[in-house]
Amino acid sequence: QLQLQESGPGLVKSSETLSLTCTVSGASITNRNYYWGWIRQSPGKGLEWIGSIYYSGNTYYNPSLKSRVTISADTSKSQFSLRLSSVTAADTAVYYCARHILRLDVRQNWFDPWGQGIPVSVSS
Amino acid sequence: QSVLTQPPSVSAAPGQKVTISCSGSSSNIGNTYVSWYQHLPGTAPKLLIYENTKRPSGISDRFSGSKSGTSATLGITGLQTGDEADYYCGTWDSSLSAELFGTGTKVSVL
Repeated sequence: QLQLQESGPGLVKSSETLSLTCTVSGASITNRNYYWGWIRQSPGKGLEWIGSIYYSGNTYYNPSLKSRVTISADTSKSQFSLRLSSVTAADTAVYYCARHILRLDVRQNWFDPWGQGIPVSVSS
Repeated sequence: QSVLTQPPSVSAAPGQKVTISCSGSSSNIGNTYVSWYQHLPGTAPKLLIYENTKRPSGISDRFSGSKSGTSATLGITGLQTGDEADYYCGTWDSSLSAELFGTGTKVSVL
């Protein structure tokens, strides 16, 4: 059974870099059929896609966050990670990782399953 | 930021039906498949519908999806108190090369 688990600090100082890791169990992140993604939800707001990575390193990023986001994968550890630089209070959110079925050639795209999420607060 | 528009809220009595619309454009909904998610506070979002109309294993047939042009719709029949949650549509935008989520709809059972 595929499971994803987010980990990382729950508190980050303003202007610093937020770093989170998603550990995947029950499946290999080198499966050619999947991307692996990060999504967040700020307090009182909706879901916002941050970006997704393929095991080969190919990435897609939200254009509004692209200048501050880096997503990487460590296939040996079955993990993928998120780095968000120069954070502000607006980056306070619950961060989720998820398997991203993304096959643009056949127009397939959805997220399943999702991790439980990790709340991250940005302090001044 | 989202360009997928949903009604902020819908409500109905137990046992009734609700529909949630998701309006987009030719570069997203009009160009690819739509998915739907249920999100209860404090839990992981759950995939309800993928490829416009398909339900993953374990999802009740009370949930259904459809798409026409640049809009998609989620239907919930036989409404239950356990269906009270936020619901989001999602799809890929080919112009932005980005995944989009809808603005979200809160379902309330009266």
